[in-house]
Amino acid sequence: GNSVTQMEGPVTLSEEAFLTINCTYTATGYPSLFWYVQYPGEGLQLLLKATKADDKGSNKGFEATYRKETTSFHLEKGSVQVSDSAVYFCALRLDSNYQLIWGAGTKLIIKP
Amino acid sequence: DADVTQTPRNRITKTGKRIMLECSQTKGHDRMYWYRQDPGLGLRLIYYSFDVKDINKGEISDGYSVSRQAQAKFSLSLESAIPNQTALYFCATRTGTGGMTSGAYNEQFFGPGTRLTVL
Repeated sequence: GNSVTQMEGPVTLSEEAFLTINCTYTATGYPSLFWYVQYPGEGLQLLLKATKADDKGSNKGFEATYRKETTSFHLEKGSVQVSDSAVYFCALRLDSNYQLIWGAGTKLIIKP
Repeated sequence: DADVTQTPRNRITKTGKRIMLECSQTKGHDRMYWYRQDPGLGLRLIYYSFDVKDINKGEISDGYSVSRQAQAKFSLSLESAIPNQTALYFCATRTGTGGMTSGAYNEQFFGPGTRLTVL
């Protein structure tokens, strides 16, 4: 079946550290891939997306590259800030039914 | 004002009670969704609606019902609440127009969530 697997959290880093949150997927066909972010007490917001293989999504210093050969969409940021503390969700969307399939979320804690 | 609003934001109720969660949006989107979020499970789709006359079950619809009163309103009901329905509930909207290359076509916009506790 179709699924998304994210690394378990929480991930705790110091400010200005390099961030990687792993995401791999299983899907039939050619999904679009997304990262959403949920700040404390808020709903989810789209962070970035990629719609085809080798596309790179980027926003607010975050990047993720759609790797079809490894079925991955890892989220990276070169220098994290305390304000990046949130829960990050990886998701895929199949064109066949347009539904989003979500990973479990990874909580990120950035310490000053 | 927020584009997607949910009421109530928090609710504590007892087993067997009927509960309604409401969602309103000012984005003019035709597609609306209800999800529940449980720790370690991410979001799971309960129901979705492509327009007022088109309502579909999601992954975990048992124990829930919905009503699309208008394009801007989509309510979720728990007919007889049970403790394992304790969760964070999110409403989301999306436009169905714009084509595959439009960011607006792909993105879902979420409300702030309703935290429901069933005792």
